[in-house]
Amino acid sequence: QKEVEQDPGPLSVPEGAIVSLNCTYSNSAFQYFMWYRQYSRKGPELLMYTYSSGNKEDGRFTAQVDKSSKYISLFIRDSQPSDSATYLCALNYGGATNKLIFGTGTLLAVQP
Amino acid sequence: DTEVTQTPKHLVMGMTNKKSLKCEQHMGHRAMYWYKQKAKKPPELMFVYSYEKLSINESVPSRFSPECPNSSLLNLHLHALQPEDSALYLCASSQNNRGEQYFGPGTRLTVT
Repeated sequence: QKEVEQDPGPLSVPEGAIVSLNCTYSNSAFQYFMWYRQYSRKGPELLMYTYSSGNKEDGRFTAQVDKSSKYISLFIRDSQPSDSATYLCALNYGGATNKLIFGTGTLLAVQP
Repeated sequence: DTEVTQTPKHLVMGMTNKKSLKCEQHMGHRAMYWYKQKAKKPPELMFVYSYEKLSINESVPSRFSPECPNSSLLNLHLHALQPEDSALYLCASSQNNRGEQYFGPGTRLTVT
């Protein structure tokens, strides 16, 4: 079983839709939870970072962590064509080494 | 400022060449990372430097040689690479005890 599972998509939605992206994980020792956005041929950009269960909101983005279910989500409200990218969840056990465990990434296309 | 810079943006090298990739951050971060990313895959960790010392080597072939001259700089020396080493090479940095990592734009390497 992979440590982190993420549906690779692709996911296609119309402009203005609410997008839900999800990852599940197997080890309850993960402490830090991140979402990255990666445009084609660019480096990953940190969108959201959290270390506790619950919701964290930043503009049109909401990150949700449910540690009891080992499930994390990223919601995008009022999606725009500029949101079209690959979204990667990344989890970290923490500590000095700070090793990220990535999901496979979900390719999102927002159609105008 | 959460910027990590990488040079060059693109690099084409023959299998007998020696070249170096450079990474710089001025966020006061004490951990720096090299990742390799192939198309449609998540980044794969190669090396971690913590407080300028190599703390993780993910069994990377010796034709890749990392160097951390100071806390702001990270180099990756390349020698006798193979065509399958062609990929996007990403540098990242983080506070040593925090989960989130900030990525640079990457160097797109092509080995001919």
